[in-house]
Parts: sequence; structure tokens; C-alpha cells
Amino acid sequence: EAGVAQSPRYKIIEKRQSVAFWCNPISGHATLYWYQQILGQGPKLLIQFQNNGVVDDSQLPKDRFSAERLKGVDSTLKIQPAKLEDSAVYLCASNPGSNYGYTFGSGTRLTVV
Amino acid sequence: KQEVTQIPAALSVPEGENLVLNCSFTDSAIYNLQWFRQDPGKGLTSLLLIQSSQREQTSGRLNASLDKSSGRSTLYIAASQPGDSATYLCAVLDSNYQLIWGAGTKLIIKP
Repeated sequence: EAGVAQSPRYKIIEKRQSVAFWCNPISGHATLYWYQQILGQGPKLLIQFQNNGVVDDSQLPKDRFSAERLKGVDSTLKIQPAKLEDSAVYLCASNPGSNYGYTFGSGTRLTVV
Repeated sequence: KQEVTQIPAALSVPEGENLVLNCSFTDSAIYNLQWFRQDPGKGLTSLLLIQSSQREQTSGRLNASLDKSSGRSTLYIAASQPGDSATYLCAVLDSNYQLIWGAGTKLIIKP
């Protein structure tokens, strides 16, 4: 089966600019996750979708971050405006349901200068 | 509150050696435990998933064990190769369906 697809692979932007990341989960996976991983740290959950509904967005900085999952398939994560501390790898993962293993995409490496 | 610890934080061994990475967790009420590999600046590759009812899983040169009662898991890598160099992370799915991560073990295999 095809894996979790993410784009772009790399992005460099200036602070205060906006950026968007895209994720296409494995076909049929109802649950989709966005994680932020800062260098040297473990992944931090930003938001979890079940189909097209939000299950958990408690750690999403809602003043600058937004995410949507239209039609319960693809998802986009947006940052506007970006700050230097947003420099990280943004990881998308999916699974068929909460009790299953996670499959991660290759990530988007964001550098804010 | 579930906490996951990985020891050691870094490990360097000569090529060909067998090695063990450790993962411990504080609350035995988990649904599963998953081991991942991560290359620098890249995404996470799932290596092995152990459900709470299982004791071990094997894939090629990798074997992962799970002892829920003692809150421990080990990842055994046989006949290590330079290509195995990466950071290895374990994560447990806790009773609230939250994925709790260890900080990882950075593994270097010397040719």
C-alpha cells in the first residue's frame, strides 16, 4: 500500500510569513495526526482528526496555527504568521483507528529565518 | 501520568555486534508499544508494533519484546550494520489513546 504522503519536503521562509503543509494519509485510514518535532526532541502532537472532525487540538497554538481535513482525506496545516521557534520538522501520521500502529510520512522540514 | 524513558541516550558500537536498546514506561495500562527509526531531519519509520497482549515481535534482524508488568520493552538488533545508524524512538499508546514518546537513543554503528 502507498504510504503517507507529505509535501513539501523542505521549506525556508522569513518570520511573519505564512506557510502551508499538505498530507495525504493512507487510503482508508480514518485517523490523521499532525506532529511538530523540534531538533533533539520527541514529536509533539498538534492536532488529531477522526475523519473530518477534530478529536484533540489542545496543543495547537491556535493564534497562528490552523488545520483542516476536508472530506476526511487530505489535510493541510497552516502557520500564519511564522515565528523563529516554529522551525521544526512537521510530521503527518495516520492509522485506521486509535488502537492501531501509526504510519508516518517523510515530514516537512521548516526553517524560519 | 505516563512517562517513557529510553536508555542510553546514545550508543556507539562496532559493526557486526548485537545490541539492545531499552525503553521503560511508568504505567502498565497501555494499548500497544511501537518502535520507530528516524534518520536526521527525516520522518519516522515504524519498525515494530507490539500489542499489549503480545510479548514480542520480530522483523528481520530486529526483535522487540514487551513486559507490561515491569513496564519495559527492549529492541534487539542482531549483526549491526552501518546502515542501522539512526535515532530509535519508542512510543506507548496510553489508556487515553495518547501516544507518549521517549526521547530516543542515537545509535552509531562504526564500520
